[in-house]
Amino acid sequence: GIQVEQSPPDLILQEGANSTLRCNFSDSVNNLQWFHQNPWGQLINLFYIPSGTKQNGRLSATTVATERYSLLYISSSQTTDSGVYFCAVVTSYDKVIFGPGTSLSVIP
Amino acid sequence: GAVVSQHPSRVICKSGTSVKIECRSLDFQATTMFWYRQFPKQSLMLMATSNEGSKATYEQGVEKDKFLINHASLTLSTLTVTSAHPEDSSFYICSARDAASGATDTQYFGPGTRLTVL
Repeated sequence: GIQVEQSPPDLILQEGANSTLRCNFSDSVNNLQWFHQNPWGQLINLFYIPSGTKQNGRLSATTVATERYSLLYISSSQTTDSGVYFCAVVTSYDKVIFGPGTSLSVIP
Repeated sequence: GAVVSQHPSRVICKSGTSVKIECRSLDFQATTMFWYRQFPKQSLMLMATSNEGSKATYEQGVEKDKFLINHASLTLSTLTVTSAHPEDSSFYICSARDAASGATDTQYFGPGTRLTVL
């Protein structure tokens, strides 16, 4: 099946810093989503982005489907950005496969 | 936007008892719902796909007799953990696909249910 990898696995940032999270996937997919899981476990959808670039405030994402990767950019990070960021791909079999996540800690 | 709720949000039970978790799509109809399990510090793993009016499809390694799924209406799916044991303690998350959206690959996730089996 499709393999989804994320890097880095852990990241510590000073408040105000920028960061880039990466998601690689091993086969073509129908869709790709980025999620933020907050410390209470709630999954918050950030982007549906099968290809191209999208921006939402301090966050933006780019997916290059032909090269099978996606990037999530976080600018001017805040402590509330802490949590785990997952990318998830939707396969041609209509299943969602999650990556292992990147655990982000933003310190004041 | 589309909202999915789960009930309860947290449950603690004794070993050997059964626990039912509900997943509801609040403002849309969902012909398909999905159940995931997440162990601490790990990612989400798909357990089963629940289709309204038919039997659920379970992923390899998931015991269908232990994790009973019922999708009796277009807005409700239930997961029953039967004869729960401490190793079943986990965070259970459901998602639902909006049948009317036309975007068959868009899923909306519930807030999760944290199960602790003593």
